Amino acid sequence: EVQLVESGGGLVQPGGSLRLSCAASGFTFSNSAMSWVRQAPGKGLEWVSAISGGGSATNYADSVKGRFAISRDISQNTLYLQIISLRAEDTAIYYCAKGGVNYVYVSEFWGQGTLVTVSA
Amino acid sequence: EIVLTQSPDFQSVIPKEKVTITCRASQSIGSSLHWYQQKPDQSPKLLIKYASQSFSGVPSRFSGSGSGTDFTLTINSLEAEDAATYYCHQSSSFPLTFGGGTKVEIK
Repeated sequence: EVQLVESGGGLVQPGGSLRLSCAASGFTFSNSAMSWVRQAPGKGLEWVSAISGGGSATNYADSVKGRFAISRDISQNTLYLQIISLRAEDTAIYYCAKGGVNYVYVSEFWGQGTLVTVSA
Repeated sequence: EIVLTQSPDFQSVIPKEKVTITCRASQSIGSSLHWYQQKPDQSPKLLIKYASQSFSGVPSRFSGSGSGTDFTLTINSLEAEDAATYYCHQSSSFPLTFGGGTKVEIK
């Protein structure tokens, strides 16, 4: 059974930083494309970032480019999202999602999400 | 950036009725269009991938069609448990994008 468990969210001041984690199990993490998608309170889904199965390719939404960094640790079966220079508009539930093999980015399974609140 | 425009934004439907949700892409995306269901306080669930392929475990009343720029999600014989917001999503090119969502309410 595919399981994705996010952690690392919380209350952060504007300008602060955070690292989100997503522990993966139940599938071959090492060759699966992975994504981060966020949802602001009461709003729709917004794709944030994706990493290819081998980790060689990363992509970002324009709204987070230069502030967010996606990475993965194959040995720990964990996906990360490093966030710096947080803004109020980054407040959202952050979901990690499993794609297909290598460069297949359709998000087939999602975690339960972790809430990031940016406020003074 | 490929913009996905869903319609309608909201639909109130009686059980057993048929529901049709459309998603229009601002440029051709082939069949790289996927549909998700999100119930309140839950994470999204994949229903249909690549326009018309049903995902594992999804009830057969959900179906998808279309290619290029125009896509449709159909729910045949709506059930009470189908009350949710439905999103389309394209993986044709980066940045990946989602439609604005269609909220389906049960009358």
